[in-house]
Amino acid sequence: SQKIEQNSEALNIQEGKTATLTCNYTNYSPAYLQWYRQDPGRGPVFLLLIRENEKEKRKERLKVTFDTTLKQSLFHITASQPADSATYLCAPQERKGRRALTFGSGTRLQVQP
Amino acid sequence: DGGITQSPKYLFRKEGQNVTLSCEQNLNHDAMYWYRQDPGQGLRLIYYSQIVNDFQKGDIAEGYSVSREKKESFPLTVTSAQKNPTAFYLCASSKGQQNTEAFFGQGTRLTVV
Repeated sequence: SQKIEQNSEALNIQEGKTATLTCNYTNYSPAYLQWYRQDPGRGPVFLLLIRENEKEKRKERLKVTFDTTLKQSLFHITASQPADSATYLCAPQERKGRRALTFGSGTRLQVQP
Repeated sequence: DGGITQSPKYLFRKEGQNVTLSCEQNLNHDAMYWYRQDPGQGLRLIYYSQIVNDFQKGDIAEGYSVSREKKESFPLTVTSAQKNPTAFYLCASSKGQQNTEAFFGQGTRLTVV
C-alpha cells in the first residue's frame, strides 16, 4: 500500500540554524510533491510545489529537494526563526492518481530563540 | 477578499445527533475536499468533489455524507453512524489539476458529548 513517512518526533533547533525535514514515500511514483505549513488549530498553508524533473526549488529561506530514486523529499529552512515553529506536511501526487492530496502526518519544528 | 470559509469554528453536539459543517469558497475553484484531523495526527481524506453534482469517497467516508449542489459550497454531514466524530475538520479547495495548491479553511472543531 502507499505510504508517506515524516519523522513523528519534533525537531528542535536553535535560531539561525538550518532545519531539515524529511518526507519519504513508498509505492508512489509522484510527478509532484507539495509542502504545507500548519500552525496549531489552523488549516495548512501551501509553501512549495516541486516537480519530478526539478531537483531543487527555492523560495526565500525555503529550499525543497526531490529525489525520485531515493523516493524522498527534503525541506530546508535556512536562518531559522522562532516564527518558523510549526508542523510541516508533505503531499506527493501522482500524475494519474487521485486528484485529492494525501498528506504525511507531518513533522513539528520548534525553533528556540 | 477571496478565500474559503468554514463555520462554525467550534461545534458541540450530543451523541446520536447528525450535524452539518459548512464550507464556502469564493475562489471559483472546481474541486473541494473534506479532511479530518485527530490530535497529533495527519489529515485523512473524507470526501472530495471535482465538479458540481459529483463527489467521491475518500479514505474514511463511513459515517459521513456530502453534497455539491453549488460550485462554491460543499457541506459535510457527520451522521450518528460515525463511531468517533470528535475531531478537527478541515475543508479545502483547489483548481482541480494535479499540480495546483490547495487552499484550506480555518477548520471546525467538533466535540460530541
